[in-house]
Amino acid sequence: KAGVTQTPRYLIKTRGQQVTLSCSPISGHRSVSWYQQTPGQGLQFLFEYFSETQRNKGNFPGRFSGRQFSNSRSEMNVSTLELGDSALYLCASSLGTSLPDTQYFGPGTRLTVL
Amino acid sequence: AQKVTQAQTEISVVEKEDVTLDCVYETRDTTYYLFWYKQPPSGELVFLIRRNSFDEQNEISGRYSWNFQKSTSSFNFTITASQVVDSAVYFCALSEYSGGGADGLTFGKGTHLIIQP
Repeated sequence: KAGVTQTPRYLIKTRGQQVTLSCSPISGHRSVSWYQQTPGQGLQFLFEYFSETQRNKGNFPGRFSGRQFSNSRSEMNVSTLELGDSALYLCASSLGTSLPDTQYFGPGTRLTVL
Repeated sequence: AQKVTQAQTEISVVEKEDVTLDCVYETRDTTYYLFWYKQPPSGELVFLIRRNSFDEQNEISGRYSWNFQKSTSSFNFTITASQVVDSAVYFCALSEYSGGGADGLTFGKGTHLIIQP
């Protein structure tokens, strides 16, 4: 079975721009979660999507948004980029039951904001 | 609020030594799940183990073993006979069960494990 894939792997943007990251989950997984990893804050939960609906959300500003498509693929958007948004963005997929399933992570997208 | 503490920022040992990575968690829920992930230099988080709060049995998988103790809110990870390939950052994580899907993983800051040849 193919793992979680994320595109692009690297991105360089400038302040004020917006960016869209993409994530394809493992086949059969219906839940997709997004995390931000920075040296200072570590790994932080952004949000989780299940059946095209945001089911859970972390503590991030509204500039961070996402969506999920009917095939479970997900996109994450960050608008009005700030220098502090430079990070590794990790996507994880899981079966999506009501329990905390095991989340399997993709390789990440490294975003650099100049 | 839930919290995971990995007090060891970095551990360096010589190959074949045993090493234990500590994880202490805080939660008000009685139902929760604990995880360990490994992050090699490539950056991808690799799942190692998932354990629910009702299962306090220790687990062994090859050279890896986990000790879960609810009395001390700890979920420690031991690598026996370490190898250079074990070098990575290891994360402990917690997820509470709210009944409406996972609340997202709360990660510790990670322990950078260096295995010297």
